[in-house]
Amino acid sequence: EAQVTQNPRYLITVTGKKLTVTCSQNMNHEYMSWYRQDPGLGLRQIYYSMNVEVTDKGDVPEGYKVSRKEKRNFPLILESPSPNQTSLYFCASSLWADYNEQFFGPGTRLTVL
Amino acid sequence: GENVEQHPSTLSVQEGDSAVIKCTYSDSASNYFPWYKQELGKRPQLIIDIRSNVGEKKDQRIAVTLNKTAKHFSLHITETQPEDSAVYFCAATPRSSASKIIFGSGTRLSIRP
Repeated sequence: EAQVTQNPRYLITVTGKKLTVTCSQNMNHEYMSWYRQDPGLGLRQIYYSMNVEVTDKGDVPEGYKVSRKEKRNFPLILESPSPNQTSLYFCASSLWADYNEQFFGPGTRLTVL
Repeated sequence: GENVEQHPSTLSVQEGDSAVIKCTYSDSASNYFPWYKQELGKRPQLIIDIRSNVGEKKDQRIAVTLNKTAKHFSLHITETQPEDSAVYFCAATPRSSASKIIFGSGTRLSIRP
């Protein structure tokens, strides 16, 4: 089954404790992206990747890191999480960036205390 | 920077009536405009999209119109049904930012029985 998976689905952590949210797709998509969803703010792009070893900042990259060592995986790293990073996070992938449907993962709800 | 504004933020319509959601974008070179639907607790999913060389596109009860001169596009849902209740997001891909995707802030559509 073609899909985007994320883990964990729920995470409660404390300020400053490094964490990684994994994202994987099995559709051989070139483009992958991370979004955060906050009430009233919609979906805001954190980072995106157009291909292996190619990543770029979205609109809200501060406090986040990403890597794209393999085509299928695009982990999101929070080196020192803070309470303002409490949010719902979605990973998404598409064949390319332009003119292509974004396939979203199930989401990760993160709470930073 | 690039921006996508979406209105209204909430919309309540009687079942069977039509619903219209509007978005404006700032980058006149944007060329792809998708609409995503997010049901409660679920991931966003593409429902319809339009490219800049087309003025209107229909898919059963859903249509999208694009006015490039005014830099706005709209989602039209006719004969609304209870299952249309969801949050709807518009998006645009600004050419000036090479593969970023900018989402609107979302519209919560409620269908009254």
